Amino acid sequence: NAGVTQTPKFRILKIGQSMTLQCAQDMNHNYMYWYRQDPGMGLKLIYYSVGAGITDKGEVPNGYNVSRSTTEDFPLRLELAAPSQTSVYFCASRPTTDRIYEQYFGPGTRLTVT
Amino acid sequence: GESVGLHLPTLSVQEGDNSIINCAYSNSASDYFIWYKQESGKGPQFIIDIRSNMDKRQGQRVTVLLNKTVKHLSLQIAATQPGDSAVYFCAEIPPPSGYSTLTFGKGTMLLVSP
Repeated sequence: NAGVTQTPKFRILKIGQSMTLQCAQDMNHNYMYWYRQDPGMGLKLIYYSVGAGITDKGEVPNGYNVSRSTTEDFPLRLELAAPSQTSVYFCASRPTTDRIYEQYFGPGTRLTVT
Repeated sequence: GESVGLHLPTLSVQEGDNSIINCAYSNSASDYFIWYKQESGKGPQFIIDIRSNMDKRQGQRVTVLLNKTVKHLSLQIAATQPGDSAVYFCAEIPPPSGYSTLTFGKGTMLLVSP
């Protein structure tokens, strides 16, 4: 299994541009998450999904959109990039168990908006 | 790798010392707490968890202590090794997340000198 994969690893965007951060998992996990991590801070939840076709907002959803058409994929869309969205983005997944700590994280995408 | 250590509280120890990393959590109604380790350039990895009906839990070389009176969590690492150098985050499950989401703390960088 590849686990959780994210693409791209790095990206530089100009203000106002759009992009999609890709996330895929091959573990048949129902739960998937998108977090952002700013320098010196913990992870903040952007959006999450408890299964295909179901998504919900996290702590910091403004400026982002998600979709979950399949169990495997959970892309994160930035429509109008702003400097405040400069961050490292992590995708995670977990099986449908009581062990919520059992989140498997991807390697991250470092996004810079200038 | 991705730099997540800027402006973080830092604990510097010598190899072989015991380390204690502290965390103040925010929600007195949270009933599940988790410690994660994040190495440079990687996503967080689960270390140990504890439920609110416990005040201590031990793992391999690690112990988590929970003080609900002052909303304080600590992670003790015995015989710290250079490979323990990383950023450590505590996380809590706040209600009414239904065990779907985690709230992460800011993190502490642990630096272990040989």
